[in-house]
Amino acid sequence: ETVMTQSPTSMSTSIGERVTLNCKASQSVGINVDWYQQTPGQSPKLLIYGASNRHTGVPDRFTGSGFGRDFTLTISNMEAEDLAVYYCLQYGSIPPTFGGGTKLELK
Amino acid sequence: QIQLVQSGPELKKPGESLKISCKASGYTFTDYAMQWVKQAPGKGLQYMGWINTQTGKPTYADDFKERFVFSLETSASTAYLQINNLKNEDTATYFCASGPPFAYWGQGTLVTVSS
Repeated sequence: ETVMTQSPTSMSTSIGERVTLNCKASQSVGINVDWYQQTPGQSPKLLIYGASNRHTGVPDRFTGSGFGRDFTLTISNMEAEDLAVYYCLQYGSIPPTFGGGTKLELK
Repeated sequence: QIQLVQSGPELKKPGESLKISCKASGYTFTDYAMQWVKQAPGKGLQYMGWINTQTGKPTYADDFKERFVFSLETSASTAYLQINNLKNEDTATYFCASGPPFAYWGQGTLVTVSS
């Protein structure tokens, strides 16, 4: 199965900061990567699908990019509500697999 | 609006079985596959597999081929996850999600397995 490695596993950020989260696939998955946000006690929420498409209602400060093995989620202007765990998911190979997550915390 | 509503928390003993439900509303049930995802306490998301809501055919990830069963009651727009011969390591929150992409998620069902 395709292993998705997220980095960093945690990150201390400040409000207003630009944040870049990374996800690397063990083999090429094309553009078949989604990004999800999960806050404590809540279900995950879809942010980005197909590597770069923002889901309905997602603020434009969230941007996804990448192709093949390397993918990035950028938050251009960190807000307090963005403190969460972020997961990438690949579905370019069977079975779909999640990355281990990146936790964003306040400095 | 589109909603997935899951059944409530479960407390079970090792060796027992359980069945979690996931009721969909706000869309045509057979338009999207139903996925299942496990999240152990304090851990990340683990993809369990999916069920084709048109044919009822389930597909399981390797770790979930033995004791796990996906099923449907299409007339009730409901998907089910059954776990047989429960083990302590099955303690987790289980989510259903429609898609791909997984745009809509249930609220999760907490399963606790303890003797």
